[in-house]
Amino acid sequence: DTGVSQNPRHKITKRGQNVTFRCDPISEHNRLYWYRQTLGQGPEFLTYFQNEAQLEKSRLLSDRFSAERPKGSFSTLEIQRTEQGDSAMYLCASSPLLAGYTDTQYFGPGTRLTVL
Amino acid sequence: GDSVTQMEGPVTLSEEAFLTINCTYTATGYPSLFWYVQYPGEGLQLLLKATKADDKGSNKGFEATYRKETTSFHLEKGSVQVSDSAVYFCALQRNAGNMLTFGGGTRLMVKP
Repeated sequence: DTGVSQNPRHKITKRGQNVTFRCDPISEHNRLYWYRQTLGQGPEFLTYFQNEAQLEKSRLLSDRFSAERPKGSFSTLEIQRTEQGDSAMYLCASSPLLAGYTDTQYFGPGTRLTVL
Repeated sequence: GDSVTQMEGPVTLSEEAFLTINCTYTATGYPSLFWYVQYPGEGLQLLLKATKADDKGSNKGFEATYRKETTSFHLEKGSVQVSDSAVYFCALQRNAGNMLTFGGGTRLMVKP
């Protein structure tokens, strides 16, 4: 299966620690998105990349959050000095960029972060 | 800004009942509209989509019609099965390739 993969699937950390998540998109998908989903809510957009360029960041993405996609393939999302409010499911999605067409975003299984 | 509003759940139905989950949106221009489904323990999957007014998206017996005049994209299925039990999310995308804006989700529980 060549779907979107995310690692780790679960992460438990103590408040104040740094955490890093990885997303591997579907091969040859140009665009990669990060979303955050809290319990009982819909996903909220955080940021997205086209190849290695970060094109948009949500206001939700505080200075403690940073995302990279250095070679235009996998991406990492780092949260520094975690807070309990960061506890959520972090979702990654990828899509091809087809000019003139509405592209479908394919989601990974998510990384569940629990901050104690 | 853009927003999507869905009916609150949970929606509980008996097997073979008719399903409607309401979705309305607020957005400038002509967004594309989507329904995603999240089965227990699984990731989000695209269920269906529509890219312009009066388009009907359909998949697995589910249908939704893009109604520009009422800014709605209600999800329907004529006969639900226990296996349809999941959380359903309505979403919009203002421009191709851009972020999705999701509603809060509606949990569907189908009893045998």
